[in-house]
Amino acid sequence: EAGVAQSPRYKIIEKRQSVAFWCNPISGHATLYWYQQILGQGPKLLIQFQNNGVVDDSQLPKDRFSAERLKGVDSTLKIQPAKLEDSAVYLCASSPDRDSYNEQFFGPGTRLTVL
Amino acid sequence: AQRVTQPEKLLSVFKGAPVELKCNYSYSGSPELFWYVQYSRQRLQLLLRHISRESIKGFTADLNKGETSFHLKKPFAQEEDSAMYYCALRNSGGGADGLTFGKGTHLIIQP
Repeated sequence: EAGVAQSPRYKIIEKRQSVAFWCNPISGHATLYWYQQILGQGPKLLIQFQNNGVVDDSQLPKDRFSAERLKGVDSTLKIQPAKLEDSAVYLCASSPDRDSYNEQFFGPGTRLTVL
Repeated sequence: AQRVTQPEKLLSVFKGAPVELKCNYSYSGSPELFWYVQYSRQRLQLLLRHISRESIKGFTADLNKGETSFHLKKPFAQEEDSAMYYCALRNSGGGADGLTFGKGTHLIIQP
């Protein structure tokens, strides 16, 4: 089966600009996650969707970050305006459903550099 | 708040030697723990989960609730085991089940 797709793979912007990332999960996966991975750290959960509804966005900096999952399939994550500390790899993951021990399947990530 | 600690940033061992990657967690409930691995230029992928009590690629991990640990072990390291390893704890409550990751351990197997 095709894996989780993300685009773009790399993005360089200046601070205060806006940027958007796109994720296409594995077909049929109801649950979608966005993680932020800063260099030298483990991934940190930003937001979790179940179909097109938000389940957990407690760690999402809502003053500048937003995410949506229209029609319960693809998702976009936006940063506006970007700060230097937003430089990171943004990972999208999907899972068949919210269930204990379900494996999360990760995409290749988008590497964001904010100058 | 839940937390995952991986005390070693880098671990280097020789091929054929035993490997132990340490993971400690802090969680008030019944933990659900995983090891994820990222090989060079590949995606993050699941290695094993504690509930399965399985051995994957020769690796095992035992949950020790008394010591709040979930160390990853392999008796004889192979060069292809070189990778970044992340210990992760499943969040819970309110239907959320995202993962809390440790900072990772870079395992290097020397020939």
